[in-house]
Amino acid sequence: DIQMTQSPSTLSASVGDTVTITCRASQEIGTWLAWYQQKPGKAPKLLIYAASRLQSGVPSRFSGSGSGAEFPLTISSLQPDDFATYYCQQYNSDLGVGFGQGTRVEIK
Amino acid sequence: EVQLVESGGGLIKPGGSLRLSCAASGFTFANAWMSWVRQAPGKGLEWVGRIKGKIDGGKTDYAAPVKGRFTISRDDSKNTVYLQMNTLETDDAAVYYCTTGSTVREDYSVHWGQGLLVTVSS
Repeated sequence: DIQMTQSPSTLSASVGDTVTITCRASQEIGTWLAWYQQKPGKAPKLLIYAASRLQSGVPSRFSGSGSGAEFPLTISSLQPDDFATYYCQQYNSDLGVGFGQGTRVEIK
Repeated sequence: EVQLVESGGGLIKPGGSLRLSCAASGFTFANAWMSWVRQAPGKGLEWVGRIKGKIDGGKTDYAAPVKGRFTISRDDSKNTVYLQMNTLETDDAAVYYCTTGSTVREDYSVHWGQGLLVTVSS
């Protein structure tokens, strides 16, 4: 199965900062990539699918890009509500569906 | 409004079996792909498996750690999906989420249940 690796594991930032989390696949996956946000004790929330498509209702400060094996998630002008853990997911079942290990975005 | 309500979790001994249920509402269930994702305490998300909808033949796929021990099934007359877990191991202890894309027939999760705790301990 494909391995998904996120970097960094933890990111310290301030409100108003622009931050980028990167997800790398161990082999090319086209754009079969989703991003989720999870807050403690809550179910994850879908942010992005098909690498760059914003899920309905998600603020436009979240953006995804990339194709192949490297996928950045950028959060522009970080808001207090954005401090959470973010996961990428490869969802082509022919390649083995799997998640990255997560990136925690914390307040500096 | 899409709702996914899981039930059936609890404490089980290693080697035991447990069946989780997920009752769905707010969308056309029969064609929806239904998945299970789990999260061990303090750990990341792990995809468990998925059952496709009727229109896609109801095909199931599983993650390697559970293949051969876990079975996903569905009862479209009850709008319910099940996760039968056999030969449970301590590493199976986690919060289990039922998820779906509802109208999206792909393996990412638009909607999530509240999660169900499964504890595997002697």
